[in-house]
Amino acid sequence: ETGVTQSPTHLIKTRGQQVTLRCSSQSGHNTVSWYQQALGQGPQFIFQYYREEENGRGNFPPRFSGLQFPNYSSELNVNALELDDSALYLCASSPDLGTYGYTFGSGTRLTVV
Amino acid sequence: AQKVTQAQTEISVVEKEDVTLDCVYETRDTTYYLFWYKQPPSGELVFLIRRNSFDEQNEISGRYSWNFQKSTSSFNFTITASQVVDSAVYFCALSEGTGNQFYFGTGTSLTVIP
Repeated sequence: ETGVTQSPTHLIKTRGQQVTLRCSSQSGHNTVSWYQQALGQGPQFIFQYYREEENGRGNFPPRFSGLQFPNYSSELNVNALELDDSALYLCASSPDLGTYGYTFGSGTRLTVV
Repeated sequence: AQKVTQAQTEISVVEKEDVTLDCVYETRDTTYYLFWYKQPPSGELVFLIRRNSFDEQNEISGRYSWNFQKSTSSFNFTITASQVVDSAVYFCALSEGTGNQFYFGTGTSLTVIP
């Protein structure tokens, strides 16, 4: 069984641009959450998707948006990139809304210049 | 206010020493879950343990052990006879029964020196 895979692994964007990050959840997992991890910090919750619907959102502005597809893969979109958006973006999947924990991907390292 | 506090930013130990990583949490929920994750340099968070708020029994898994004390709101993690492969950043996390997000601490960077 494959784990959580994220693409791309690294990305450099210019301030003001838009970016899409992708995540393939682990087989059988219907819940996907996205986290932002700034350098030297713990991951911060962006939002969760459960069966294609947003199921909770952290303290992030609307320019952070997402999608979950019928196969439970997911996208994170960030518009109007700011320098502070530079971080490691982690995708995590779970079969049960995260109650028993998440399986995390290796992340996408986004650098905004 | 931080829901999860990991006061130790960095710890260095010599191989085979024991080391304890501290975690203090804050919640008003009576039902909650506590987790420890390991983050190696590759970036992914590796699940180590889950504890629910009704189970204060300590747990041992090989060289790893966890001490959960509701009276002090702590969920500490001990590595016995540390090895170089234990070098990583360790995160404690809280999930409240009423919510769907994990609150992570700021992590403790552990370096095991050969």
